[in-house]
Amino acid sequence: DTAVSQTPKYLVTQMGNDKSIKCEQNLGHDTMYWYKQDSKKFLKIMFSYNNKELIINETVPNRFSPKSPDKAHLNLHINSLELGDSAVYFCASSQAGLTPLHFGNGTRLTVT
Amino acid sequence: GEDVEQSLFLSVREGDSSVINCTYTDSSSTYLYWYKQEPGAGLQLLTYIFSNMDMKQDQRLTVLLNKKDKHLSLRIADTQTGDSAIYFCAESIAQWSGNNRLAFGKGNQVVVIP
Repeated sequence: DTAVSQTPKYLVTQMGNDKSIKCEQNLGHDTMYWYKQDSKKFLKIMFSYNNKELIINETVPNRFSPKSPDKAHLNLHINSLELGDSAVYFCASSQAGLTPLHFGNGTRLTVT
Repeated sequence: GEDVEQSLFLSVREGDSSVINCTYTDSSSTYLYWYKQEPGAGLQLLTYIFSNMDMKQDQRLTVLLNKKDKHLSLRIADTQTGDSAIYFCAESIAQWSGNNRLAFGKGNQVVVIP
């Protein structure tokens, strides 16, 4: 199936740990994004990569480090997890230009 | 600036029409989008409209854009139980280097009563 896929779907971990979320798209898109959805369902962009190059970094703590090994993958690594990091993280991709974003199903991160 | 406003909750009977409203502030937005999020799922693109249009129809969905008032609406005809979800409007607020950065509204929960 052509899609944006994220793993894991659920992630429960303790404060202070380091964790990663993986994202892959097989749509042939050039651009990938990470969005964060908080408990009130508000969505805000975190990062955007275009052809493996970081384009947008939206005032995200440097504990969050995206990595794009190739244009089909954009992973998110989070160091020293905090309670406030609990949220749903969505990966998305789009073609170059003003084209719609296609979203993955999200990773629900719970920090205890 | 980027500030997209939506009302929070709508209850509608199956078979009726539902209308969801959204206001945005960035007059330079070129595209506006409607996304649907079902419980536990990702965001599904429903439809989008280019800013030089004032209406777009796609099967049961009708999008109206009032650019002067920066107002966007989504009408769902013959609402069905599968339409129960949160609906987000979003505007393109910056595009460069091939990126399409979206600002989202807070979402509108639609509950369809059988």
